Amino acid sequence: AQSVTQLGSHVSVSEGALVLLRCNYSSSVPPYLFWYVQYPNQGLQLLLKYTTGATLVKGINGFEAEFKKSETSFHLTKPSAHMSDAAEYFCAVSSNDYKLSFGAGTTVTVRA
Amino acid sequence: GAGVSQSPSNKVTEKGKDVELRCDPISGHTALYWYRQRLGQGLEFLIYFQGNSAPDKSGLPSDRFSAERTGESVSTLTIQRTQQEDSAVYLCASSLDRLQRYEQFFGPGTRLTVL
Repeated sequence: AQSVTQLGSHVSVSEGALVLLRCNYSSSVPPYLFWYVQYPNQGLQLLLKYTTGATLVKGINGFEAEFKKSETSFHLTKPSAHMSDAAEYFCAVSSNDYKLSFGAGTTVTVRA
Repeated sequence: GAGVSQSPSNKVTEKGKDVELRCDPISGHTALYWYRQRLGQGLEFLIYFQGNSAPDKSGLPSDRFSAERTGESVSTLTIQRTQQEDSAVYLCASSLDRLQRYEQFFGPGTRLTVL
């Protein structure tokens, strides 16, 4: 069985401030981990993914995430928020090769 | 090229009616997935197609839900005798292959409202 918990359904940050979105997972086998972003009225877009190898993963738009096995976490960060980062973000885990389990999502708002 | 497309974008129906939702995957993608996104919740896996293999239907919530895929192209998700709890956004995704090194590309979804 696999599942994802995203801490905080809403996050508000000031433009230029650090963005930190928390994700914890459970998986019976080494997981594949993903972050997706959904902009208003658009489909989900892959931000980044961890499969094997380096635990610090860099994605698009300046985002990165670190896989910490001991903490079963895969938190998403961006050093400096931009207005265009306002969106909903989903963490997902896969323990096999195709079925994704998603968290409930975190909505990010960016204050000018 | 074109991304994953879904139709209709919005569907309002009365309780008890049947609905069909369509997904056109990216050309050449052998894997196709359907998910459901209820308000305030994450995506729930519904069904997965891979080439000519038997689909994984383990996520379908009841026998009112069914899906078909023609070869490696269009897929249709059918909900019979709709109920109010079926109201959700239904998302389709496709990928080159089943392996997770191949990204799942999502369509914009169909928002279903059952009155």
